[in-house]
Amino acid sequence: DVKVTQSSRYLVKRTGEKVFLECVQDMDHENMFWYRQDPGLGLRLIYFSYDVKMKEKGDIPEGYSVSREKKERFSLILESASTNQTSMYLCASSFRFQDYRTAYEQYFGPGTRLTVT
Amino acid sequence: GQQLNQSPQSMFIQEGEDVSMNCTSSSIFNTWLWYKQDPGEGPVLLIALYKAGELTSNGRLTAQFGITRKDSFLNISASIPSDVGIYFCAGPFGSSNTGKLIFGQGTTLQVKP
Repeated sequence: DVKVTQSSRYLVKRTGEKVFLECVQDMDHENMFWYRQDPGLGLRLIYFSYDVKMKEKGDIPEGYSVSREKKERFSLILESASTNQTSMYLCASSFRFQDYRTAYEQYFGPGTRLTVT
Repeated sequence: GQQLNQSPQSMFIQEGEDVSMNCTSSSIFNTWLWYKQDPGEGPVLLIALYKAGELTSNGRLTAQFGITRKDSFLNISASIPSDVGIYFCAGPFGSSNTGKLIFGQGTTLQVKP
């Protein structure tokens, strides 16, 4: 079974703090994604990585950065947390090259519910 | 830009009833996916569709890839309480096979025992 784990299920941080969200997958997937989920808005892509040290901005990258030093690990960084970054953060992973279809079959972690006060 | 419109936004049904939801796209897709998110968890892939007109079942769930390639439908037969959750449709983002997806806003399903 594909397993995607996220470092915390719940996190409470103060405005201005630097926040690290970690994601690890054990299926040797090339692609990794960070999404933000807010009620009524679905899932919005923050950043995407298709290989180690490679990244692409998604729809809403402002206020976020990412790091991918190892294939299995993808970190989301909030440089200076703000209250409007209070949300559910979801990490996902998928294969890239083996088959164009499997590249779209993303597997998600359980999510981190971040509250910034 | 690309948009996915999912309807209805929410449903409150009685256990045993059938459920239908749909998703429409502003552009043509070559893939449609349906995910379910249980309360407090990440989304789980239910069904993937790769061909226009394709009808695929997974237990009580049936999904169809619309002939126009701009829509998809998910049906749940004889609903049970554990069907509660948010159902998302998704399709490829952009024209290249990068693996990026665009998601609908979700349909929240509540089932009354």
